Amino acid sequence: KQEVTQIPAALSVPEGENLVLNCSFTDSAIYNLQWFRQDPGKGLTSLLLIQSSQREQTSGRLNASLDKSSGRSTLYIAASQPGDSATYLCAVQGGNYQLIWGAGTKLIIKP
Amino acid sequence: GAGVSQTPSNKVTEKGKYVELRCDPISGHTALYWYRQSLGQGPEFLIYFQGTGAADDSGLPNDRFFAVRPEGSVSTLKIQRTERGDSAVYLCASSSDIRVKTEAFFGQGTRLTVV
Repeated sequence: KQEVTQIPAALSVPEGENLVLNCSFTDSAIYNLQWFRQDPGKGLTSLLLIQSSQREQTSGRLNASLDKSSGRSTLYIAASQPGDSATYLCAVQGGNYQLIWGAGTKLIIKP
Repeated sequence: GAGVSQTPSNKVTEKGKYVELRCDPISGHTALYWYRQSLGQGPEFLIYFQGTGAADDSGLPNDRFFAVRPEGSVSTLKIQRTERGDSAVYLCASSSDIRVKTEAFFGQGTRLTVV
């Protein structure tokens, strides 16, 4: 059974710092991995999707990497801003098409 | 529409009542998913549809939960005899085809509170 773990559960850093969020999964047989952002009281916004054959994806200040063999993904955020404050969730999609989710990392960027 | 729309955004109901939650997917998306998210946790899969049929309903917690998608577009999640433990945010997502490795787009969710 696929399990997804995100560490740390919460993170607070000063504005301007670069930071890394971690996601690990137990079953390497995945189709893709997605990183999402969730703001309080709002839905989920997809940030990056990495296909199983890819190693990384970039969008603006965000870079996500995928190492299937070790069951790990990282989300790198460069030059963090207060507007980046949110909960970041990773989810993997396997053969049954379901998304299996981590519990998220709550990120606070201090001005 | 431009994105996935869920109504209502908030629903408060009394224990034992029946509720319906609606999801309007992105136009043309054949795959539709329902997830449930409890406070402080990641979403949990409930059911997905490919077209009008429920391709996988293995995540529905019990027979009080049922979902339909009669015309392959709008979907309704129905909960009978609601219990306090059903309180959560119910999320709907759609994608162009679950058989293709495409990303899922989520609605803003319906926050259900059973009192």
